[in-house]
Amino acid sequence: DQQVKQNSPSLSVQEGRISILNCDYTNSMFDYFLWYKKYPAEGPTFLISISSIKDKNEDGRFTVFLNKSAKHLSLHIVPSQPGDSAVYFCAASGDAGNMLTFGGGTRLMVKP
Amino acid sequence: DAMVIQNPRYQVTQFGKPVTLSCSQTLNHNVMYWYQQKSSQAPKLLFHYYDKDFNNEADTPDNFQSRRPNTSFCFLDIRSPGLGDAAMYLCATSKDPGETQYFGPGTRLLVL
Repeated sequence: DQQVKQNSPSLSVQEGRISILNCDYTNSMFDYFLWYKKYPAEGPTFLISISSIKDKNEDGRFTVFLNKSAKHLSLHIVPSQPGDSAVYFCAASGDAGNMLTFGGGTRLMVKP
Repeated sequence: DAMVIQNPRYQVTQFGKPVTLSCSQTLNHNVMYWYQQKSSQAPKLLFHYYDKDFNNEADTPDNFQSRRPNTSFCFLDIRSPGLGDAAMYLCATSKDPGETQYFGPGTRLLVL
């Protein structure tokens, strides 16, 4: 049973436009959410996080939105750049053991 | 720079031949994790150490073992690698459980 789901396996966006990556979760005990970016043959790189006491966190071009009632979070990248092309994983923690539960990832392709 | 280092980046082993992957960290984090990642799937947690306390995930095969001789180093031992163990192995650290995890670059294991 997947507790964290990224329903779009891939997303293609034009350079300069907004990229919106979505993530849904089912476990209401999750209270901390993270986004990681992964290039091929490299480990995931931490991008941005949000605690359940907030509904928005912004860091430069990256903004994460959390909708607790819908159990949904999204990552907005604006403007998108070709270097943003990577696989993006959302992750959540907060249940027993506090381990991270990862979504399946979304491959973002930003076209020049 | 404080970081998580994994050696080697690529490891080739023979079917059934024991192999050890290593991870070191300069972050002085209390928790070290080992994940297995196949293809474009989510990283799968194998086990973690919280200081010296070892925590095995329920579905981690007995074939996989780990050692943490000190705060900085953690090893993943695969006692008898099978073809199905070919994957990217990721080491991560966090200051405490539930906090942001920082990943190393990974070791890609090939089993011949």
